[in-house]
Amino acid sequence: KQEVTQIPAALSVPEGENLVLNCSFTDSAIYNLQWFRQDPGKGLTSLLLIQSSQREQTSGRLNASLDKSSGRSTLYIAASQPGDSATYLCAVRRKEYGNKLVFGAGTILRVKS
Amino acid sequence: GAVVSQHPSRVICKSGTSVKIECRSLDFQATTMFWYRQFPKQSLMLMATSNEGSKATYEQGVEKDKFLINHASLTLSTLTVTSAHPEDSSFYICSATGLVVEQFFGPGTRLTVL
Repeated sequence: KQEVTQIPAALSVPEGENLVLNCSFTDSAIYNLQWFRQDPGKGLTSLLLIQSSQREQTSGRLNASLDKSSGRSTLYIAASQPGDSATYLCAVRRKEYGNKLVFGAGTILRVKS
Repeated sequence: GAVVSQHPSRVICKSGTSVKIECRSLDFQATTMFWYRQFPKQSLMLMATSNEGSKATYEQGVEKDKFLINHASLTLSTLTVTSAHPEDSSFYICSATGLVVEQFFGPGTRLTVL
């Protein structure tokens, strides 16, 4: 059974810092991995999607890497801003399982101004 | 980008009543829709997968008779929580996929059962 773990559970940093969020998964046979952002009481916003054949994806100040063999992904946020404060979720997908996503518990990020 | 809406965004009901939540894909045809629930400070747990025109597939531990899912068209799926109880209070989120594999998520529905 696929399990997804995110470390740390919560993180508080001053504005301007670069930071790394970690995601690990137990079954390396994934189709892709996706990072999401969730604001309190809201739905999910997709940030980056990395296919199993890719090593990383970049969007603005965000960079996500994937090491499928070791079951790890990182989300790097450069020059953090108070507006980055949210919960960040990673999820993995296995095509054989009908496109289902398995989510980690998330990292709650707070960027202090 | 693909847009998914949910209605209502927030609902409060009395214990024992039934509540229906709608999930709509606004600008694409959703062949598959997923329903999740999320407890405070916890992750999303998949409840069921529904394909248009067929019965939903429920995850282990999810009661089919309590959480009724209907996916009657390519743009609408509904989740009905029957005989709701306080322990059913949660945040319910739907997602939808069409021709592409990526799931697009709705804004969620906050259910409070008194």
